[in-house]
Amino acid sequence: DAGVIQSPRHEVTEMGQEVTLRCKPISGHNSLFWYRQTMMRGLELLIYFNNNVPIDDSGMPEDRFSAKMPNASFSTLKIQPSEPRDSAVYFCASSLGTAGTRPQETQYFGPGTRLLVL
Amino acid sequence: RKEVEQDPGPFNVPEGATVAFNCTYSNSASQSFFWYRQDCRKEPKLLMSVYSSGNEDGRFTAQLNRASQYISLLIRDSKLSDSATYLCVVAPYNTDKLIFGTGTRLQVFP
Repeated sequence: DAGVIQSPRHEVTEMGQEVTLRCKPISGHNSLFWYRQTMMRGLELLIYFNNNVPIDDSGMPEDRFSAKMPNASFSTLKIQPSEPRDSAVYFCASSLGTAGTRPQETQYFGPGTRLLVL
Repeated sequence: RKEVEQDPGPFNVPEGATVAFNCTYSNSASQSFFWYRQDCRKEPKLLMSVYSSGNEDGRFTAQLNRASQYISLLIRDSKLSDSATYLCVVAPYNTDKLIFGTGTRLQVFP
């Protein structure tokens, strides 16, 4: 079975450029999460969607970051303009969302996108 | 104060040793608890859920103390393949969010 698919796996760009990260969740999962991981701050939740609707974007660092989920099988995280401090590994994860109706389901992570902004 | 706190380690132990990791969380209304494992340059994966009554999965035992807001993971008979970072994870009530600790690194040597 295909897991969570992310692209690109690696991205090197220059400061000021637009970066778009892509994610395909596991089929049938209705919650999708975007995380950022750095050595200093660990794994931070940026935003999550339930049934394609953004539920919590309180972790999005600033207006330079935006995320969309146009359908159940695709999401993007965009950084415009990118800055060197955005360099990190960005993970997408999906799960069977419960909307808090019962204990949380396992989140399955994609392989991540390693972003380096020069 | 971080919502989930862990000792970053590293814990360097010989094969066959028993090692324990601890974690504390700040939100007393947290609903669910997990340990995830992350290998070097890989994605996190669920290791086990943590229940109030304590639970065991082979060589791994997890405990939860809600009164003290404390979670533990015990690994018996450590294997080289156990070398990884172990992430303590807490889920707030009424949401699908997971809050991750920064992880405890374990290195098992021969």
